[in-house]
Amino acid sequence: DSGVTQTPKHLITATGQRVTLRCSPRSGDLSVYWYQQSLDQGLQFLIQYYNGEERAKGNILERFSAQQFPDLHSELNLSSLELGDSALYFCASSVRGGAGETQYFGPGTRLLVL
Amino acid sequence: GEDVEQSLFLSVREGDSSVINCTYTDSSSTYLYWYKQEPGAGLQLLTYIFSNMDMKQDQRLTVLLNKKDKHLSLRIADTQTGDSAIYFCAGARNQGGKLIFGQGTELSVKP
Repeated sequence: DSGVTQTPKHLITATGQRVTLRCSPRSGDLSVYWYQQSLDQGLQFLIQYYNGEERAKGNILERFSAQQFPDLHSELNLSSLELGDSALYFCASSVRGGAGETQYFGPGTRLLVL
Repeated sequence: GEDVEQSLFLSVREGDSSVINCTYTDSSSTYLYWYKQEPGAGLQLLTYIFSNMDMKQDQRLTVLLNKKDKHLSLRIADTQTGDSAIYFCAGARNQGGKLIFGQGTELSVKP
């Protein structure tokens, strides 16, 4: 158990809908990362937050947004869902968000868009 | 640019050594990691190496880094059936924590 929790574990929804994925980092970690794992794109970095502020952005679509709240939990919002958004979404956390720090991954949320 | 490549499959017999290879194109990758993903589970950090190191050993795991060829390998000694999983190498630059992952190597250990 990494100490990072993600809810829900599984999500099934329809195209055009909007969903919110939630992540709680390990106790004491200030930085949160979101990654998407799909069959065709592999594991891709989406976005990183540190202490409530966006720190780095990767291949995140405009239909997706995220935020980190004062209690340090984070939410990833996916809207106007398409079939291709079906994937495993991971959250990870680290202490300060710098390179060389260990990122601890949650178990992931499996999203299926029908 | 940023690119990390791995072979997709490796099959070994229990008790043998496994060697999983990875090449990366970004010479700015200062930190290189190996993660393990078991079916239905998240990513578990196995080990990492800084770019100023050539080798790191941690129990059954040995990481070798050839900076000239931008080649990273993970050797698992005395491979067990419980080692069957997908292994990802990943790189991170100095200025940020984001990880660039390879496609993953599926290791199958046969008894």
